[in-house]
Amino acid sequence: GAVVSQHPSWVICKSGTSVKIECRSLDFQATTMFWYRQFPKQSLMLMATSNEGSKATYEQGVEKDKFLINHASLTLSTLTVTSAHPEDSSFYICSASLAGGYGYTFGSGTRLTVV
Amino acid sequence: SQKIEQNSEALNIQEGKTATLTCNYTNYSPAYLQWYRQDPGRGPVFLLLIRENEKEKRKERLKVTFDTTLKQSLFHITASQPADSATYLCALDMGAAGNKLTFGGGTRVLVKP
Repeated sequence: GAVVSQHPSWVICKSGTSVKIECRSLDFQATTMFWYRQFPKQSLMLMATSNEGSKATYEQGVEKDKFLINHASLTLSTLTVTSAHPEDSSFYICSASLAGGYGYTFGSGTRLTVV
Repeated sequence: SQKIEQNSEALNIQEGKTATLTCNYTNYSPAYLQWYRQDPGRGPVFLLLIRENEKEKRKERLKVTFDTTLKQSLFHITASQPADSATYLCALDMGAAGNKLTFGGGTRVLVKP
């Protein structure tokens, strides 16, 4: 089945630094990947759609200069949280899907803590 | 915009009983309605997908119904087990290529032995 690998699973960084999260599709090619954020006891909120070879599409209210997305290959999308602040602390999850309505496969998530 | 409502209260159920979860949506019906399981600190795991022209779908002890007139999906876990304890998320997919999922708030299920 489709597998999405996300790394790192957790990271602690100092305020003002940048953090990169990787999302890889291991056994299929994903022209589109999705990045979500989830706060405690809340559901997943879509941040952006990552498109291979082109610019990402951001949801309303998500700062594209703060959350940089790069989808340079058919199997890798990265999310960089720039100049992180404590309010950016959250659980970040990526996903991808096979075409044809087979559901979406999610990464295991990255717990970001900004201190 | 589409709004998805799931019962935010936790569902406590005795082992062996059937758990029934509700997902209601507003506005237009999606091409696909999906259910996911999420354990604490983990990403969601896909369980079932039901298409707009399907009334019911089953997978092992799981059953999903989809009523586009009521704009509602029901998710059943039969013969529930403590290992079924998790948060269950309803998600809508309009079906276009590369389209995005919209999630409900999720319902936490706790199966007691």
